[in-house]
Amino acid sequence: SYVLTQPPSVSVAPGQTARITCGGNTIGSKSAHWYQQKPGQAPVLVVYDDNVRPSGIPERFSGSNSGNSATLTISRVEAGEEADYYCQVWDRSSGHVIFGGGTKLTVL
Amino acid sequence: QVQLVESGGGVVQPGRSLRLSCEASGFTFSDYGMHWVRQAPGKGLEWVAVMWSDGSDEYYADSVKGRFTISRDNSKKTLYLEMNSLRAEDTAMYYCVKGQWIQLWGYYLDDWGQGTLVTVTS
Repeated sequence: SYVLTQPPSVSVAPGQTARITCGGNTIGSKSAHWYQQKPGQAPVLVVYDDNVRPSGIPERFSGSNSGNSATLTISRVEAGEEADYYCQVWDRSSGHVIFGGGTKLTVL
Repeated sequence: QVQLVESGGGVVQPGRSLRLSCEASGFTFSDYGMHWVRQAPGKGLEWVAVMWSDGSDEYYADSVKGRFTISRDNSKKTLYLEMNSLRAEDTAMYYCVKGQWIQLWGYYLDDWGQGTLVTVTS
C-alpha cells in the first residue's frame, strides 16, 4: 500500500518560514492535500490540489509537489499556527485515502 | 454553512457492536462522497471508509474491512458507520468528513465534523 512519510516535528521561530515535507513514491504524479489540526479540534484543510488555498486560509500558506516530495510552506509563522499538520493523497489503485503520519509544528 | 454532526459514540466491550451516525446540513448531501476518518488518542489520522455520493461504491481501510460497514440515506442527509467485532485498537475519535472529488486525482476532505468518541474496553 502507498505510504506517505512526514518528519515528526519541525520547529521555527515566529516570523520565519516553516517547511513541512511529505515523501512518497512519485507523489508528484498525485494531487497532495494538507490539513492543520490544533489540540482538541478537528482537522482543517489548508491546501488542496498541491497549491490551492481554501477560502479563509491566509496567503502565507502555500504548497508544492514534485518528484518524490510534497511541501507545505508557511511564511511568517505566527504562534497560533502551532499545530499538527498532515499530508494526504488518493491512492487510485486501492481507492483509499492515505494520510502521512503528521508533523508537529512548534513555534519557538 | 456546512455542518456535520456525529453521534452514537460511547463505551463498548470488545466484540460488541456500535452504530455511528452523521447528520449533514448546509450542502447538497447527495452530491458528495462521504468519509469516516478516525484518530486514536495521541495518534495521527487514519482514514476508515468512503461511500460514493449515490451509494454505488464504497472502500474500506484494511484494518476495518469485513468488520465495519459504511452506508448513507440521502433522503435523511445522514451517513452511518456500523462497527462490529470491535477491538481495543478501534478506540478513537471518529470524524465524519465531506469529500471533494477532483477528476483523475481523487478525493480531498474539505469539511469535518467535531467527532464522536468510541472507547472499546472491558
